[in-house]
Amino acid sequence: EVQLVESGGGLVQPGGSLRLSCAASGFTFSNYDMHWVRQVPGKGLEWVSAIGTTGDTYYPGSVKGRFTISREDPKNSLYLQMNSLRAGDTAVYYCARAPKYSIHYCDFWGQGTLVTVSS
Amino acid sequence: QSALTQPASVSGSPGQSITISCTGTSSDVGAYDYVSWYQHHPGKAPKLMIYEVSNRPSGVSNRFSGSKSGNTASLTISGLQAEDEADYYCTSYTSSSPVVFGGGTKLTVL
Repeated sequence: EVQLVESGGGLVQPGGSLRLSCAASGFTFSNYDMHWVRQVPGKGLEWVSAIGTTGDTYYPGSVKGRFTISREDPKNSLYLQMNSLRAGDTAVYYCARAPKYSIHYCDFWGQGTLVTVSS
Repeated sequence: QSALTQPASVSGSPGQSITISCTGTSSDVGAYDYVSWYQHHPGKAPKLMIYEVSNRPSGVSNRFSGSKSGNTASLTISGLQAEDEADYYCTSYTSSSPVVFGGGTKLTVL
């Protein structure tokens, strides 16, 4: 059974940093592209970043230069390093898997981890 | 990258059919057959309902169908059921990004 479990969320001050983790199981992690998607409270889903199997990374303009996605295949883990955090980054962050050769959509999602940016 | 445009809300009665539109541009929806739809119940993980415009993943009811014409994609739900009440999001591949989301549509089953 495919499982994605996010961790690392919490309360952080504006300007601070946080590192999210996503533990994957039930599939060969190294063979799949992965995504982070977030939902700001009361708002819609927003794509945050993606990483390919070869390490290629992708970001929207809203987080480029502040967030870094990475993966550690031997540990079946995905990460999101978030720096220079702002109140607008407060959201539930989801880890999601893209099917093989199909980075443009996600077939399995985790339950999410809440990040709150506040003083 | 601008979000795709969806209606904020739609509603229908049990048994009826509804359609949710997703309007993009010639750089995303219109350029690629890479439109997906997700169902999201608050507090739960989003669920893939349709991928690559009209394909249903295993386990998704055939009451859900997808289509595309020009720069607009559509999700149709037939035979509405109470459990269909949720938020629905479209996404598309774009010329500059692997994913862009629509703003989301709240479906209310009356």
